[in-house]
Amino acid sequence: GESVGLHLPTLSVQEGDNSIINCAYSNSASDYFIWYKQESGKGPQFIIDIRSNMDKRQGQRVTVLLNKTVKHLSLQIAATQPGDSAVYFCAENNAGNMLTFGGGTRLMVKP
Amino acid sequence: DGGITQSPKYLFRKEGQNVTLSCEQNLNHDAMYWYRQDPGQGLRLIYYSQIVNDFQKGDIAEGYSVSREKKESFPLTVTSAQKNPTAFYLCASSIGFGALLGNYGYTFGSGTRLTVV
Repeated sequence: GESVGLHLPTLSVQEGDNSIINCAYSNSASDYFIWYKQESGKGPQFIIDIRSNMDKRQGQRVTVLLNKTVKHLSLQIAATQPGDSAVYFCAENNAGNMLTFGGGTRLMVKP
Repeated sequence: DGGITQSPKYLFRKEGQNVTLSCEQNLNHDAMYWYRQDPGQGLRLIYYSQIVNDFQKGDIAEGYSVSREKKESFPLTVTSAQKNPTAFYLCASSIGFGALLGNYGYTFGSGTRLTVV
C-alpha cells in the first residue's frame, strides 16, 4: 500500500545549527501533510502542516517544504535548541480516510 | 482547555489478564483512533471509529477490542489473546474523517505504557 518513509532514522546536530529532517511519500494524491514532534514518553504534538497547493510554509523557527515533483517533504528547524530533541514524524492525508505516518526520525541536539 | 486524556499513564498486566485503557476527549471530535508504538518504531493502527457506535479494525487489531458508546470515549481492551502487549499506546482524535482531516490532523493523548509482568 501507499506509505510515507524517512531517509534518516537519527540526526545529530550541534546546538545553534539548523536541522533538516526529510520525508518521502509515495501517494501523489496526498493533499495535506503534517509534521509531529514526539518527546520521550509523550504523545505526538502538531508542529506545522502544509497543503498540496503550497510548496513552503513557515512557522516559528520551523519551515516545511513540499516538492510534489519528487514527492518529498522536509522540516527545517532554525537555530536548533536542546528542547528540540525528540522524534519527528511526517504524516500525509491521501484524501482517502486517515493519516499515514512515517517511521520517524530521532533528532539529537549536542550542547 | 479542550484535550484528549488517556489513563492510566502506566499499566501492568499479568499473563492471561484483560486490561482496559481509557481515552476521553472533550474536543467534540467525531473520529477517534488507537495506535500502538513499540520502542524506536512508528505508529501502527489498532482500531478507529468514525462516529459513535461504529468502529473498524486497523492493521493490527488481533487481540484487541474497542467500544464507542459515547462520542467522548473510546476505550481499548487488551485481551489475553494479545501475546505481546508490552508497548506504548496512543489514542488520537480528529474533527472528522477523510477530507475533514485537513484541520490540524489528529490530536494525540499523552499515552499509556503497558507492561506485562
